[in-house]
Amino acid sequence: GENVEQHPSTLSVQEGDSAVIKCTYSDSASNYFPWYKQELGKGPQLIIDIRSNVGEKKDQRIAVTLNKTAKHFSLHITETQPEDSAVYFCADKYIFGTGTRLKVLA
Amino acid sequence: NAGVTQTPKFQVLKTGQSMTLQCAQDMNHEYMSWYRQDPGMGLRLIHYSVGAGITDQGEVPNGYNVSRSTTEDFPLRLLSAAPSQTSVYFCASSWGTITDTQYFGPGTRLTVL
Repeated sequence: GENVEQHPSTLSVQEGDSAVIKCTYSDSASNYFPWYKQELGKGPQLIIDIRSNVGEKKDQRIAVTLNKTAKHFSLHITETQPEDSAVYFCADKYIFGTGTRLKVLA
Repeated sequence: NAGVTQTPKFQVLKTGQSMTLQCAQDMNHEYMSWYRQDPGMGLRLIHYSVGAGITDQGEVPNGYNVSRSTTEDFPLRLLSAAPSQTSVYFCASSWGTITDTQYFGPGTRLTVL
């Protein structure tokens, strides 16, 4: 069946550094890839998404890239801040990755 | 707008008991769904609805029932709770489809003893 693999499971970066989280998917027909941020005790919140007709999308400090040939997509967070600390999930529509716990060290 | 609301926030059940998790949204969204979140496994889709009167199964529907009598409400029923259903449950809604922005509720933490 369809699945999404997400790496790394945990990531620690110094404040101001960049963070990159990578996901791979299995269904070559997939066309919608959202990224969610989940803070402790809360539901996931969409932070950015990308559709298969584009290769990159940016929103301020956050960007997502998509490589359809290799079937992988990545989340890039630049100039990280302590409030970026959370669990991040990628998804192929409704199929979620297992999450990355990002810690931004002040 | 309150967004997506879920009740209760916490619930403890004994094996074999039944209960209903409530979900409501005030954004006039057509698409609603239920997920469960287990440690190390991300979120998994249980059931979804594309509009009032229409429901369908997701990845892990066994042991759960849903109905959608109104646009606003999408309750999830556990008919006979089992320890394997211990999890955090999230309801989500969006305008029309799974590829529209999903808005998640705050979750219900369920423990089955």
